[in-house]
Amino acid sequence: GDSVTQMEGPVTLSEEAFLTINCTYTATGYPSLFWYVQYPGEGLQLLLKATKADDKGSNKGFEATYRKETTSFHLEKGSVQVSDSAVYFCALGQAGTALIFGKGTTLSVSS
Amino acid sequence: DTEVTQTPKHLVMGMTNKKSLKCEQHMGHRAMYWYKQKAKKPPELMFVYSYEKLSINESVPSRFSPECPNSSLLNLHLHALQPEDSALYLCASSHLGTGRDTGELFFGEGSRLTVL
Repeated sequence: GDSVTQMEGPVTLSEEAFLTINCTYTATGYPSLFWYVQYPGEGLQLLLKATKADDKGSNKGFEATYRKETTSFHLEKGSVQVSDSAVYFCALGQAGTALIFGKGTTLSVSS
Repeated sequence: DTEVTQTPKHLVMGMTNKKSLKCEQHMGHRAMYWYKQKAKKPPELMFVYSYEKLSINESVPSRFSPECPNSSLLNLHLHALQPEDSALYLCASSHLGTGRDTGELFFGEGSRLTVL
């Protein structure tokens, strides 16, 4: 069945460092890919998404490119801030099926 | 601002209490979901309603009872819960069952439940 694998962390960075959180997937069909973020004490928010191969999702300085050849959707940000400290979930979705989440990556950014 | 609204944001209850969690969306979605989430773990699917009918029950104990009064409202009735049921309960909605479905879920901010 479909699945998502992401690096579990925790990831600890200094402010202004470069961030990469790896996410790979296995799927039949043509899934959409998502990154959700959960700030401390809050619910899940959609950070970005891509619905087809080679699409790039971006939001708040974060980017991820849907790479079908490597079955990946890695999350990147050029310069992290303390306010980016959160748990990040990679997810795979297809019409008519339940969203499949990765295990989550905790990011801590210190000043 | 989230378009999926959950109340209450926090709930503390004893093991003999009966309480309810409520969720409302006004995005015209015809599918609504309940998830349970433990700290820093991915959400776990509990129930799915599609067009106001229960379509998925992920073997959830009967002390959790969902209800979908109409396409905009979703309730989760709680009775005789255990301390291990303490968690963040997330409601979500989606375009499931329509031509706009990509699998994306739209989440509320959650109800944090503590069972004493």
